[in-house]
Amino acid sequence: GQQLNQSPQSMFIQEGEDVSMNCTSSSIFNTWLWYKQDPGEGPVLLIALYKAGELTSNGRLTAQFGITRKDSFLNISASIPSDVGIYFCAGATSGTYKYIFGTGTRLKVLA
Amino acid sequence: GAVVSQHPSWVICKSGTSVKIECRSLDFQATTMFWYRQFPKQSLMLMATSNEGSKATYEQGVEKDKFLINHASLTLSTLTVTSAHPEDSSFYICSARTRLAGPIYEQYFGPGTRLTVT
Repeated sequence: GQQLNQSPQSMFIQEGEDVSMNCTSSSIFNTWLWYKQDPGEGPVLLIALYKAGELTSNGRLTAQFGITRKDSFLNISASIPSDVGIYFCAGATSGTYKYIFGTGTRLKVLA
Repeated sequence: GAVVSQHPSWVICKSGTSVKIECRSLDFQATTMFWYRQFPKQSLMLMATSNEGSKATYEQGVEKDKFLINHASLTLSTLTVTSAHPEDSSFYICSARTRLAGPIYEQYFGPGTRLTVT
C-alpha cells in the first residue's frame, strides 16, 4: 500500500532538546493526523490538522499543516524520556476516510 | 478521548486453526472501523474498511476469504484469521472513526492484538 515518507527515520536526542520531524507526500491531503506508538501498543492520537497552514499545539507538541498540503511537521519542545516512541503521520484526501500512514520516526531520548 | 478496545491482547495458535479478534468502541458509535496490520519496525498497513451492516472493503492484496471481517453493530467489529499460517503472525490493530462536526472525523486506535502462529 501507499505510504508517506517521514524524516528522519530515527533520532537520538538529549533530554531537554527540541525535536522536529516531517512528513511528505506526492499527493495533496486535506487532513493530517499525528500519532505516537509505544512498543506493543496501538497508536495514540496526538494532534489533528484540517486546514492548510494550520498550526496546532498540544502541550509541548506543535504540528503544522503545510501550505502545499503535501507535507506536515511535528515539533516537540523540551523533550523528556517518556517522549520515546515511534511517531507516525497519517494523511487523508478529501472525500475519503482512508488514512495513509507515514513510515514512522523513532525517537530516543537520552537522559 | 474516545476509547477503543481489542480482545484478546495477544494470542498464540497452531497453524491451520482460526482466530477471532474483537474490536469495540467503548464510548462512541463507530459507523466505520478499520483493520491494520503491522510487522515489526514497520508502519501500519490498512487491510480493510468495515462499515456497520455492510460487507467490508478490502485493500489490494488482502485475501477476503482469509481475513473475515464482521461489523455487526456500531460498537463492534471482528476480524477472523482463518486457517492461520506462521506468516500471518503479526500485530493487528483496529481503529474506529468518529465524527466530530460536519465533515471532520478523527480516528482512534485500539491497543492491538499480537498474533503468533506456531
